Amino acid sequence: GDSVTQMEGPVTLSEEAFLTINCTYTATGYPSLFWYVQYPGEGLQLLLKATKADDKGSNKGFEATYRKETTSFHLEKGSVQVSDSAVYFCALSDQGGGFKTIFGAGTRLFVKA
Amino acid sequence: KAGVTQTPRYLIKTRGQQVTLSCSPISGHRSVSWYQQTPGQGLQFLFEYFSETQRNKGNFPGRFSGRQFSNSRSEMNVSTLELGDSALYLCASSETLAGGLNEQFFGPGTRLTVL
Repeated sequence: GDSVTQMEGPVTLSEEAFLTINCTYTATGYPSLFWYVQYPGEGLQLLLKATKADDKGSNKGFEATYRKETTSFHLEKGSVQVSDSAVYFCALSDQGGGFKTIFGAGTRLFVKA
Repeated sequence: KAGVTQTPRYLIKTRGQQVTLSCSPISGHRSVSWYQQTPGQGLQFLFEYFSETQRNKGNFPGRFSGRQFSNSRSEMNVSTLELGDSALYLCASSETLAGGLNEQFFGPGTRLTVL
């Protein structure tokens, strides 16, 4: 079945450092790909998405490109802030009639001032 | 628009009891999905409802069930609770428009503790 694998955390960075969180997927169809963020004590928020190969999703300085050839959707940000500290989830959803989103295990990011 | 609301936010039950959780989607959203989040298993899909019908289902035992009402509000029920059912249960709603996958909006979750 479909699955998502993302790098284990926690990831600890200093403010203004470059961030990469790796994500690869396995899917039989042509899924849409997502990054969600979960701040402490809150539910998930969609950070960005891409619906087809070579699409680039971007939001709040974060970017990820849908790479079909490497089945990857790595999250990047050029300069992280303390406020970016959260758990990041890579996910896919194969829209074969409705939602059935498969999530990765999550990567916790700590950003130090 | 108000966001997705879930009630109650916290719940403590004992083994063998049953529990009902409620989710009110964003106004106009007809799709409601439920997820279980635990430290060990991460986020796992339970089921999705659309127009009062279960459209997708994850790999959970029959003790987990749900329903959706005509106003799109949804409930999930867990019977014969086990210690392993302790988790954060998240509800997400979405519009369903022709073509393309639409964003899911998540509620804050219900934290269930089974003693």
